[in-house]
Amino acid sequence: AQTVTQSQPEMSVQEAETVTLSCTYDTSESDYYLFWYKQPPSRQMILVIRQEAYKQQNATENRFSVNFQKAAKSFSLKISDSQLGDAAMYFCAYISTDKLIFGTGTRLQVFP
Amino acid sequence: DGGITQSPKYLFRKEGQNVTLSCEQNLNHDAMYWYRQDPGQGLRLIYYSQIVNDFQKGDIAEGYSVSREKKESFPLTVTSAQKNPTAFYLCASSTRVAGSVFDEQFFGPGTRLTVL
Repeated sequence: AQTVTQSQPEMSVQEAETVTLSCTYDTSESDYYLFWYKQPPSRQMILVIRQEAYKQQNATENRFSVNFQKAAKSFSLKISDSQLGDAAMYFCAYISTDKLIFGTGTRLQVFP
Repeated sequence: DGGITQSPKYLFRKEGQNVTLSCEQNLNHDAMYWYRQDPGQGLRLIYYSQIVNDFQKGDIAEGYSVSREKKESFPLTVTSAQKNPTAFYLCASSTRVAGSVFDEQFFGPGTRLTVL
């Protein structure tokens, strides 16, 4: 069965600094997608970044980038130049066919 | 504007009552999903539907029911059989990429259900 593991329940970062959130997953599939979702205090789930497994190039979206290591089944999120608005729960997620499987989340605090 | 709407935002229910949560999308997405989120936890899948008039149980379907009579609508009924229904409920939708592969999910704003 596919699983997604986020081993950091909480992380903190100073404003303008860089932070990396970890995610590992387990699957026997070769074709799949990986996502990072952000859930701010409003509780709206917002897609931060996505990665197709067949692409070797790491995805980037402005200040957000991933380190996708397919052989190691690792998918970490790097947030550069952290801002106060980045404070939220971050969920790593995996999908191969029908169901999106979420990790348990990492709460990110940003200090001024 | 395309998106997913959920109503109501807050819902209160007395014990023993059934209650229905609404989810509508105008994204023309094939699949729709219902998740439950408890405080400090991740999302757990209740039900999902990949096509009209068909749906599948997720990981925690007991005490819930759904219908998918229209592509854009996927209401969730929380029945009196659900022993601990107080939670935050999120609806999502996604489009079919190819075959049985679906793309990223877009989420609605959620409904907070409280049992009194």
